[in-house]
Amino acid sequence: QSVLTQPPSVSGAPGQRVTISCSGSTSNIGSGYDVHWYQQIPGTAPKLLMFDNTHRPSGVPDRFSGSKSGTSASLVITSLQAEDEADYYCQSYDSSLSVVVFGGGTKLTVL
Amino acid sequence: VQLVESGGGLVKPGGSLRLSCAASGFTFSYAYMSWVRQAPGKGLEWVGRIKSTTDGGTTDCAAPVKGRFILSRDDSKSTLFLQMNGLKTDDTAVYYCTTDNDSLDYWGQGTLVTVSS
Repeated sequence: QSVLTQPPSVSGAPGQRVTISCSGSTSNIGSGYDVHWYQQIPGTAPKLLMFDNTHRPSGVPDRFSGSKSGTSASLVITSLQAEDEADYYCQSYDSSLSVVVFGGGTKLTVL
Repeated sequence: VQLVESGGGLVKPGGSLRLSCAASGFTFSYAYMSWVRQAPGKGLEWVGRIKSTTDGGTTDCAAPVKGRFILSRDDSKSTLFLQMNGLKTDDTAVYYCTTDNDSLDYWGQGTLVTVSS
């Protein structure tokens, strides 16, 4: 059981919009700790996709956006493309466990 | 930025292994570094972090590896280490080293550790 909860899978057709949720608690996201997102294409290392809730690293398309509210965060992908098919993970810090925590990951399928 | 892990392999339960991560392209001595692992077909799991030497070089580890895994660094060689002792079958995973800026900004390609008799 992951400390941060993500849906196991989401899907969408090319051009559509999808949202991946990341639900935490008052000891992590709800305590003000930032949420970061990673994209992992099968067989490769994870790559930072979004940091500090809403910021995109250089090179990440603006089709990707992030938000955070209360004890949850979301990653939104618009204008879905085939190359977006990957696993997505959220990450934060948990103050009661004193550890970095990840969500269980969400597999995005582009139909 | 480049991070290159090495040292993975097959080890028997109860055995030890030392992973290395050679860093380049940034000022390693100022960087916090973390290890993250991924068991076959599973999600990401944080293993531990080491602060920069200037910030004390202290370490934190996740509960499943505390007391068995030790993080260390050699700033003169821009290299991060993970000493893994008392290995269990559950430790089988790809181990990634990452820069740690709260977000894990850069990742190596990973090294596979297989614990099996």
